[in-house]
Amino acid sequence: DAKTTQPPSMDCAEGRAANLPCNHSTISGNEYVYWYRQIHSQGPQYIIHGLKNNETNEMASLIITEDRKSSTLILPHATLRDTAVYYCIVYRARSNDYKLSFGAGTTVTVRA
Amino acid sequence: NAGVTQTPKFQVLKTGQSMTLQCAQDMNHNSMYWYRQDPGMGLRLIYYSASEGTTDKGEVPNGYNVSRLNKREFSLRLESAAPSQTSVYFCASSGQGYEQYFGPGTRLTVT
Repeated sequence: DAKTTQPPSMDCAEGRAANLPCNHSTISGNEYVYWYRQIHSQGPQYIIHGLKNNETNEMASLIITEDRKSSTLILPHATLRDTAVYYCIVYRARSNDYKLSFGAGTTVTVRA
Repeated sequence: NAGVTQTPKFQVLKTGQSMTLQCAQDMNHNSMYWYRQDPGMGLRLIYYSASEGTTDKGEVPNGYNVSRLNKREFSLRLESAAPSQTSVYFCASSGQGYEQYFGPGTRLTVT
């Protein structure tokens, strides 16, 4: 699976949009981009995933560049409860192989 | 619908003791996983079970064994605990959509 690069940390003001970048320049055509987050001491939480089209759900939006070498997770109106470590993972589901590789992620701190 | 549950929440062991961590999911998922997370680190996969009746090693399987008891339950056993196994252990499950759903974790300390 392709490797991802994320900034180690970022701050965001409460109520503003948080834009989290992820670089995955070696992504293959059949690899998806997944985002998870981990709030302190809790299990990771799935946020969103996409292949090439932009995706939106109740939690966030995912923007993938046309060449698929990078993506941005957008939290539209960050709240204090969004403070967490965010993981960008590139993943290709193979038969009987669903392993995710979690890197260091981006520590996002939302400030009042 | 409880999702993924893990027991116990906390455990302290002495070196050489054994224990089994229990995990259950009620989402009818085929695949289940065990991860460990050391302080300040990302998650590392210990073992996984792609479907009932199968198990495979992940990145860090040494010192652990697993049992996929049935479709709902996936247990992790430490036969002879070592201080290096002090960690937080997370169980997860996934269905056809491949996104994984995690339990609350078991915090294990080995002295």
